[in-house]
Amino acid sequence: QVRLQESGPGLVKPSQTLSLTCLVSGDSINNGNYYWTWIRQSAGKGLEWIGRIHISGSTTYNPSLKSRVTMSLDTSKNQFSLKMSSVTAADTAVYYCARDTVVLPHNWLDPWGQGTLVTVSS
Amino acid sequence: AISMTQSPSLLSASTGDKVTISCRLSQGISNYLAWYRQKPGKAPELLIYATSTLQSGVPSRFTGSGSGTDFTLTISGLQSEDFATYFCQQYFSFPWTFGQGTKVEIK
Repeated sequence: QVRLQESGPGLVKPSQTLSLTCLVSGDSINNGNYYWTWIRQSAGKGLEWIGRIHISGSTTYNPSLKSRVTMSLDTSKNQFSLKMSSVTAADTAVYYCARDTVVLPHNWLDPWGQGTLVTVSS
Repeated sequence: AISMTQSPSLLSASTGDKVTISCRLSQGISNYLAWYRQKPGKAPELLIYATSTLQSGVPSRFTGSGSGTDFTLTISGLQSEDFATYFCQQYFSFPWTFGQGTKVEIK
C-alpha cells in the first residue's frame, strides 16, 4: 500500500521560506509512471494545485506561484520536497502531497498524504 | 486558468437518498475530470477519473457523467461515510484547478 507523509515546520515567519518534505513508502519515486505533486487547501482559496515533479527532472508549477516555488526529489530517501519563498499570511494552508498517476491521456491524484498545517505568522 | 463552479455548495440529505452534484467549467475539457471526497479532518480521496471511471475500491453507488463543460456526480443511496465534501478537478490544462466544493450534510 502506497503511503505519503508530509513533514516540516508548522509555523513560518512572513518573508521566510516554507520547506516541506513528503516521504513516500510502498512505491519508488523513481517510477516514471508517476509525477509527485503538491496541493494546498485554505479557507479562502479552497484547493490549489501548486505543481508537480517527475523523476526525469521535469517540473510544472502553477503560474500564480511559479516565481516562489521550487520542487526537488531525493531518490536516496525516497522523498520529494517543496520550497516556497517570501511567504505571507496568504500562504497559510494545509499542504498535501499526492501521487499523480499518468495513464495517457488521463491523470489522477491518488493517494494523498494526510496533510500538514503551515501557518505564516510572526 | 480554467475556473470551475460546483452546485449546490451545500446539500442536505438523508441516508439512502440519491443526490446529484454539478460541476460547470469555464471552457471545455473533453472528459478530463476527476471527483474527490473529503471527510472532515482528512485528505481528499479519489473517487472517479476520466469523468466516469471509478477508482479501484470505490463503491458502485458513485456515478460520474458529462463532457465538455458540464459534469455530474451522482451518489445513489447515501451511506453514513458519504456525508462529506466533494470536489471536482480538471486536468485538461495547467494549472490544474478544483471546484470550490459541495458539502453533503445530514438533513
